[in-house]
Amino acid sequence: QVHLQQWGAGLLKPSETLSLTCAVYGSSLTDSNWNWIRQPPGKGLERIGEITHRGVTNSNPSLKSRVSISEDMSKNQFSLRLNSVTAADTAIYYCARMNLARLAFDVWGQGTLVTVSS
Amino acid sequence: QSALTQPASVSGSPGQSITISCTGTSSDVGGYEYVSWYRQYPGKAPQLLIYDVSKRPSGVSNRFSGSKSGNTASLTISGLQAEDEADYHCTSYTTRTTLIFGGGTKLTVL
Repeated sequence: QVHLQQWGAGLLKPSETLSLTCAVYGSSLTDSNWNWIRQPPGKGLERIGEITHRGVTNSNPSLKSRVSISEDMSKNQFSLRLNSVTAADTAIYYCARMNLARLAFDVWGQGTLVTVSS
Repeated sequence: QSALTQPASVSGSPGQSITISCTGTSSDVGGYEYVSWYRQYPGKAPQLLIYDVSKRPSGVSNRFSGSKSGNTASLTISGLQAEDEADYHCTSYTTRTTLIFGGGTKLTVL
């Protein structure tokens, strides 16, 4: 059974860099595409970006200039960095697997609340 | 890229059926058979309910069904139960080879 465990700093000041990591258990990074998704308080879900099973990264155009997604194959982990955060980046951040056969997010991490406040 | 359009809220009484719509364009919902639906309880991560417009993953109740007509997809929940009270989100594949979300719908069981 596939399981995702994520972690990272939960409180940031404006202009700092958000950094989150997601460990994958029960599957290989080469089996699927691995996504970061966020949800501002009381709002809907927004896809931030992904790293594909081939190691290619794709990001939401609205965030692309600030987003960096990477992987560590030796640890079976992938990570998100979001630069120059503002209060608008306050959200719950999720890592999720995109099932390539179903083109759906079928496994999710537990979520990390990231608050940006001075 | 605009989000798919969902009603902000829907409600129904126990035992009734409700339908949640998800409207996009010919570049996403209307152009592909890759619409999925998720249920999200407060404080929890979303859970996949429907994929490929109308297919259910193993373990998902057959009270949940999906369909699509033109640029609008729908999730129907039959035999409404108190435990169905949650937020529901749709996604669709798009011509930009990515997935986009709807704004989410809050279901209240009266």
